[in-house]
Amino acid sequence: GAVVSQHPSWVICKSGTSVKIECRSLDFQATTMFWYRQFPKQSLMLMATSNEGSKATYEQGVEKDKFLINHASLTLSTLTVTSAHPEDSSFYICSARDATSGRALEYFGPGTRLTVT
Amino acid sequence: KQEVTQIPAALSVPEGENLVLNCSFTDSAIYNLQWFRQDPGKGLTSLLLIQSSQREQTSGRLNASLDKSSGRSTLYIAASQPGDSATYLCAGAGGTSYGKLTFGQGTILTVHP
Repeated sequence: GAVVSQHPSWVICKSGTSVKIECRSLDFQATTMFWYRQFPKQSLMLMATSNEGSKATYEQGVEKDKFLINHASLTLSTLTVTSAHPEDSSFYICSARDATSGRALEYFGPGTRLTVT
Repeated sequence: KQEVTQIPAALSVPEGENLVLNCSFTDSAIYNLQWFRQDPGKGLTSLLLIQSSQREQTSGRLNASLDKSSGRSTLYIAASQPGDSATYLCAGAGGTSYGKLTFGQGTILTVHP
């Protein structure tokens, strides 16, 4: 079945540094990937839609200069949290859409826990 | 803008009980509706997907229904087990086959032995 991986699974960084999170579709091509964040005991909130070969589309209220997204290939999208602050600490989940599926299903990665100290 | 609401926010039941989780959405023009399970600190596991043209889907002890006209979906879990304890999320895909998912807040289910 369709598998999406994320790396790292957890990361701790100091305030002011940048952190890169990778999202990979392992056995299918994904023209579209999505990045979500989830605060404790809350639901997933879509941050941005990442399209291969073009600029990401950010949801209202999400700073594109702070959350840099690169979708360089059909199997890889990266999210870079720049100049991280403690309030950026969250669970980040990506999903990838299988473009060959007639129903355009989304498959979710296992998530990355970011803690900014 | 699509809004998805789940009731109840939390549910605690004894093992063996049948239970229903509710999901409502404001925009009936959804392409599909999905139910997911999330264990603490983990990603999402897709349980059931109902296309807009379908009324229900079943997988094992799980049955999900969809009523677009009333903007509601239910997830029925039969003969609940402690291993069913998790957060259950519903999400509606808007408009077209390429619509974005809008998630509900989730229902935290605890099944105690």
